[in-house]
Amino acid sequence: SAVISQKPSRDICQRGTSLTIQCQVDSQVTMMFWYRQQPGQSLTLIATANQGSEATYESGFVIDKFPISRPNLTFSTLTVSNMSPEDSSIYLCSASSGGYTFGSGTRLTVV
Amino acid sequence: RKEVEQDPGPFNVPEGATVAFNCTYSNSASQSFFWYRQDCRKEPKLLMSVYSSGNEDGRFTAQLNRASQYISLLIRDSKLSDSATYLCVVNLGDKIIFGKGTRLHILP
Repeated sequence: SAVISQKPSRDICQRGTSLTIQCQVDSQVTMMFWYRQQPGQSLTLIATANQGSEATYESGFVIDKFPISRPNLTFSTLTVSNMSPEDSSIYLCSASSGGYTFGSGTRLTVV
Repeated sequence: RKEVEQDPGPFNVPEGATVAFNCTYSNSASQSFFWYRQDCRKEPKLLMSVYSSGNEDGRFTAQLNRASQYISLLIRDSKLSDSATYLCVVNLGDKIIFGKGTRLHILP
């Protein structure tokens, strides 16, 4: 299975600012995904990061709030824009490569 | 009906006991199924895939019933290290959907 390096592992941000989370995969993967996991909850899919085209967003998530880049088959970023305390959560990237593996997550606190 | 439903627990089980988790899914076109394990403050990790014929990996047995859209996970001779949240995962082809997870506490 692919190994994913995700950073930052955690951050505390001021409301109104933006944070970009990066995921680097150690091999080329077709599909990458971004999830949010709020305390005590399961993972909610934000979007599928498509290489060379716009991401596919799930209901309730929009590109202006969560812009995603996927410049190649090993890398993707998620930006959480104009943050509010409600965006405090864990954000995880995932890649499909003989199974689904996850980055170690980014714990975001917005104050 | 939610896409993937699980009993959230928690299940408090004495060490050495057998415990079973169930999961139902709503999309009959679901392609494949998995159980993931998530430890506190960690990312989910694949525990095992689930096949129609049923499959076993050591103390863990997974079953799939496509007709009833039902998946199960059985843990035998439970260990303290089995304490975690167990996530039922369904692959719809273009994405995977997670259940909310079942919390398991193994008691010494």
